[in-house]
Amino acid sequence: QQQVKQSPQSLIVQKGGISIINCAYENTAFDYFPWYQQFPGKGPALLIAIRPDVSEKKEGRFTISFNKSAKQFSLHIMDSQPGDSATYFCAASIGGSARQLTFGSGTQLTVLP
Amino acid sequence: GAVVSQHPSRVICKSGTSVKIECRSLDFQATTMFWYRQFPKQSLMLMATSNEGSKATYEQGVEKDKFLINHASLTLSTLTVTSAHPEDSSFYICSAREPSGRGETQYFGPGTRLLVL
Repeated sequence: QQQVKQSPQSLIVQKGGISIINCAYENTAFDYFPWYQQFPGKGPALLIAIRPDVSEKKEGRFTISFNKSAKQFSLHIMDSQPGDSATYFCAASIGGSARQLTFGSGTQLTVLP
Repeated sequence: GAVVSQHPSRVICKSGTSVKIECRSLDFQATTMFWYRQFPKQSLMLMATSNEGSKATYEQGVEKDKFLINHASLTLSTLTVTSAHPEDSSFYICSAREPSGRGETQYFGPGTRLLVL
């Protein structure tokens, strides 16, 4: 019930291309879905987040698409750049005092120059 | 976004010693902080939830007597790895939950690399 499944495990994209990472969840109580970017040896950094009352959120080159009925959400990185090469984690949390994050398994993105 | 710091960034210690890691929220007060452990090429594993002024809540399988957590103020939480052994070597990351709005957002520290010899 708490699991968030992420795919693909790794992704190689040419510079300028679109990177797409997908996540699926089971627990309909999740009400907050952030994406984090992590570079080697660093902590995760919040990239963009969405709540289930909207189907899409865009910030610069990053877009989250959310499909509530399918219980899926995805991250799209437009015009991918070599500097975007990192590990990306989707996550989800449930409202309440704790607000613990449940993380996906991560996607290692490599953008070729 | 909000800033969370961790100290030290890396530590090497001998087996049997204790190591303390500090996590600070620099520009906001965090009533709740979280401690994670991450092995190479794996996702973050939640170890415990730290609440200011009360005992931490540990995840199943995490030894509370080995991983001591103290959240003495609204800006500081500490994780002490007691009697560290080589299998405790890992990347430890803290996060702090921003209390504004719905309190959903967690900001992560830069992590602490622990190597136990």
